Amino acid sequence: EDQVTQSPEALRLQEGESSSLNCSYTVSGLRGLFWYRQDPGKGPEFLFTLYSAGEEKEKERLKATLTKKESFLHITAPKPEDSATYLCAVANAGNMLTFGGGTRLMVKP
Amino acid sequence: ETGVTQTPRHLVMGMTNKKSLKCEQHLGHNAMYWYKQSAKKPLELMFVYSLEERVENNSVPSRFSPECPNSSHLFLHLHTLQPEDSALYLCASSLGSASTDTQYFGPGTRLTVL
Repeated sequence: EDQVTQSPEALRLQEGESSSLNCSYTVSGLRGLFWYRQDPGKGPEFLFTLYSAGEEKEKERLKATLTKKESFLHITAPKPEDSATYLCAVANAGNMLTFGGGTRLMVKP
Repeated sequence: ETGVTQTPRHLVMGMTNKKSLKCEQHLGHNAMYWYKQSAKKPLELMFVYSLEERVENNSVPSRFSPECPNSSHLFLHLHTLQPEDSALYLCASSLGSASTDTQYFGPGTRLTVL
């Protein structure tokens, strides 16, 4: 059974304080890893897809990286508007998508 | 309207009521999904439809009944629910039904069962 573990569960940062969120996974044949952002009371918003180890993608202050066992979402100089829950999901060779529990990020001004 | 829309946004129902959740996608996608999101738990896939055919039913109790009349609309019919069914119900769509196809989510329906 595929497993996705995100850490930490919650992270408090000061504005401008860079950090990383972790997504560790065990999966039967990784086909892709997805990052989503979810604001309170809203649906998840797609951020990135990574397909193979060594791949990196960037969008504004966010950079996602992938290894064979984990993915990191690096947040550079975060702003209060980056506060949200960040979700990671892995797609396996059996056409299943498994989500992690998320990391709740709070950025204080 | 653009993207994926869901109605109603909030719903309160008693255990003996019957209600329906509606989802509509304006992205030209062929696959649609229902997810349940409870506090402190990961998203749980409930149902997958591809080209209006159900391709996945993740051991969901029969008190939840999906309907997909066409590739743009998806319903979730609810009857005799339990308080533990209170959650955020999310609809998503993707171009195809492969797990690597990016899913785009609606805003969700917050359901409270009394």
